[in-house]
Amino acid sequence: DTAVSQTPKYLVTQMGNDKSIKCEQNLGHDTMYWYKQDSKKFLKIMFSYNNKELIINETVPNRFSPKSPDKAHLNLHINSLELGDSAVYFCASSQDGRWGNEQFFGPGTRLTVL
Amino acid sequence: SQQGEEDPQALSIQEGENATMNCSYKTSINNLQWYRQNSGRGLVHLILIRSNEREKHSGRLRVTLDTSKKSSSLLITASRAADTASYFCATDADNYGQNFVFGPGTRLSVLP
Repeated sequence: DTAVSQTPKYLVTQMGNDKSIKCEQNLGHDTMYWYKQDSKKFLKIMFSYNNKELIINETVPNRFSPKSPDKAHLNLHINSLELGDSAVYFCASSQDGRWGNEQFFGPGTRLTVL
Repeated sequence: SQQGEEDPQALSIQEGENATMNCSYKTSINNLQWYRQNSGRGLVHLILIRSNEREKHSGRLRVTLDTSKKSSSLLITASRAADTASYFCATDADNYGQNFVFGPGTRLSVLP
């Protein structure tokens, strides 16, 4: 059974478009995250969401917005895509937001902006 | 700069040898975690070590933590080709445990 799933796996789009990446976890976890991994493999946290509390990395442009329809889902919406948004985006979840809980990662979504 | 920085950036060894990767960080931490990422896949949690622990084992993995030097090491003993992956350390960036910082990773290649 897939613990954390993301769709799509690959996303190729034109600059200026708006796109969404979906994430679902079936682990019953309370906290979900979005990460961006650039071409140099640096993994940076973008958002964490727990019990309707959203914590945003201040370096993330406001073109990025997470949406959580329920506890098992945290989707990522990106408006006005730019070339620099090309990266692999990972969704993750943990039992709760406290440090010390391992995170379970999805397989990633490779976004290419042309 | 990165809170956690692994070194070396890349490591190539023969099957059966031991592999050691290091992680250095700058601020105080509550815990440190190590993750593995196979090519094209998500990260998989390997081991967590708390700030009051000095060493932890899990199978062929051994992790040490030296809070005075702000460093940790991951040792993989008797490496196998399947251990080929990138290895990342992660530290907490705040007291709420919801802002984790990953280092750039060490790319380990285990040659058969």
